[in-house]
Amino acid sequence: TQLLEQSPQFLSIQEGENLTVYCNSSSVFSSLQWYRQEPGEGPVLLVTVVTGGEVKKLKRLTFQFGDARKDSSLHITAAQPGDTGLYLCAGAGTNDYKLSFGAGTTVTVRA
Amino acid sequence: NAGVTQTPKFQVLKTGQSMTLQCAQDMNHNSMYWYRQDPGMGLRLIYYSASEGTTDKGEVPNGYNVSRLNKREFSLRLESAAPSQTSVYFCASSEFPLGYTNTGELFFGEGSRLTVL
Repeated sequence: TQLLEQSPQFLSIQEGENLTVYCNSSSVFSSLQWYRQEPGEGPVLLVTVVTGGEVKKLKRLTFQFGDARKDSSLHITAAQPGDTGLYLCAGAGTNDYKLSFGAGTTVTVRA
Repeated sequence: NAGVTQTPKFQVLKTGQSMTLQCAQDMNHNSMYWYRQDPGMGLRLIYYSASEGTTDKGEVPNGYNVSRLNKREFSLRLESAAPSQTSVYFCASSEFPLGYTNTGELFFGEGSRLTVL
C-alpha cells in the first residue's frame, strides 16, 4: 500500500476566501484522483490528473499534479458553502494501478 | 438514476453476530469493491471483484467474506462481528478493473453505517 498524506486534516474558512489542500507521498503514482464526499453520501470523483506538472481547472477548483508525480494540490478560489465536504485524494500505482486513498481533508466554508 | 445501492443503511450488531451487506449497481459495470472508512484512516479496500465470477482480497480482508452473486450484485458478510468492525462501509463499482487502467472512476454507494457493541 502506498501512503498518501493529506494536509491539513481540517480547514474552516469564511465564504469568499481561498484555500489549498495538499496530498503528498514518497511514492510515484501513475495518476492522481480527487474525490469530494458530502455528509451521509459516498465520494464523488472531481478530477483525474495523469501527467507530471499537469494543471486542471474545474470552475473555481484548480488541481495540480507535481512534476515528479508524487504530490498534488487542490486550490479553491472564492470558496462557497456548497464547497463544504471531505476532500480525498487517491493515487494509482505505477505497476498495478490499484488506488490508495489519503485520509482526507474536511473543509467547512462558513456563510 | 440509482447507480450503486447499498442495504441496510444502518445496523447495530452485538459481538459475535453475523450479517450481510448487500450492494447492487445498475450501470453494467464489470468491477465492484467493498471499502471501509474510519476516521483519520481514509478508505481501505476490503475485497474486490474485477469481473463476474472472481473475487480477491484487498488491504483488510480479515473477518470478512464476499460473494459476487451476478454482474449486478456484490455482497459483504461478517461471520462473527467484532467491535473493531464498527465502521462505515462503502460499495463501489467501475467499468473496468482499476488495475486495468490508471484513469478509472469509482462510483460509490451512500454507505452502510455499522456499529458492533
